[in-house]
Amino acid sequence: QSVLTQPPSVSGAPGQRVTISCTGSSSNIGAGYDVHWYQQLPGTAPKLLIYGNSNRPSGVPDRFSGSKSGTSASLAITGLQAEDEADYYCQSYDSNHYVFGTGTKVTVL
Amino acid sequence: QVQLQESGPGLVKPSGTLSLTCAVSGGSISSSNWWSWVRQPPGKGLEWIGEIYHSGSTNYNPSLKSRVTISVDKSKNQFSLKLSSVTAADTAVYYCARVGWELPPGGLYYYYMDVWGKGTTVTVSS
Repeated sequence: QSVLTQPPSVSGAPGQRVTISCTGSSSNIGAGYDVHWYQQLPGTAPKLLIYGNSNRPSGVPDRFSGSKSGTSASLAITGLQAEDEADYYCQSYDSNHYVFGTGTKVTVL
Repeated sequence: QVQLQESGPGLVKPSGTLSLTCAVSGGSISSSNWWSWVRQPPGKGLEWIGEIYHSGSTNYNPSLKSRVTISVDKSKNQFSLKLSSVTAADTAVYYCARVGWELPPGGLYYYYMDVWGKGTTVTVSS
């Protein structure tokens, strides 16, 4: 069982803004460890989307943004597009090992 | 750019040992990166298995530590995973990944998986 909790699903119409939460605890996010986000398109490997809470790797559109506060983090997608339909995972560090969130499926209506 | 490719048997018998290799191309396994294994059971989320540095240092997920061995072969620019005493619960897509890192000003090191292989499906069944 994951120590980082995400909502199972979120949805939005094209052009809308959606956010995905990642809730941890004092032993991971709350301990000061940074949060990273991955996008997994259907049938493909995960892809790094956000690192260090809010940094985008080269090539990731600025529609994607991340933030962290306290024991939680969030991923926001503005101007939702059909190609954003995917699973999203947060990742942090806890007790000397990496931990992933439970994952969130984003559906574009 | 760095690319990773997993290989190994797609079918393993219960109680047997799962063995996979990740070949690194476009870069050196002796770079200042750790190298990880991550798995994903059918329809489920991601689970970190463990990681290795080119020196041979390893870190493992506590939930799998008793069954996992990760090794590195610098001469072949690859690293490997062995998971023993497998059961149906170990059926998954197995990914290898490069671990990137940063040290922000005044902060802690942070680590993230910045390059992933395409994954290989391993089924545990008799």
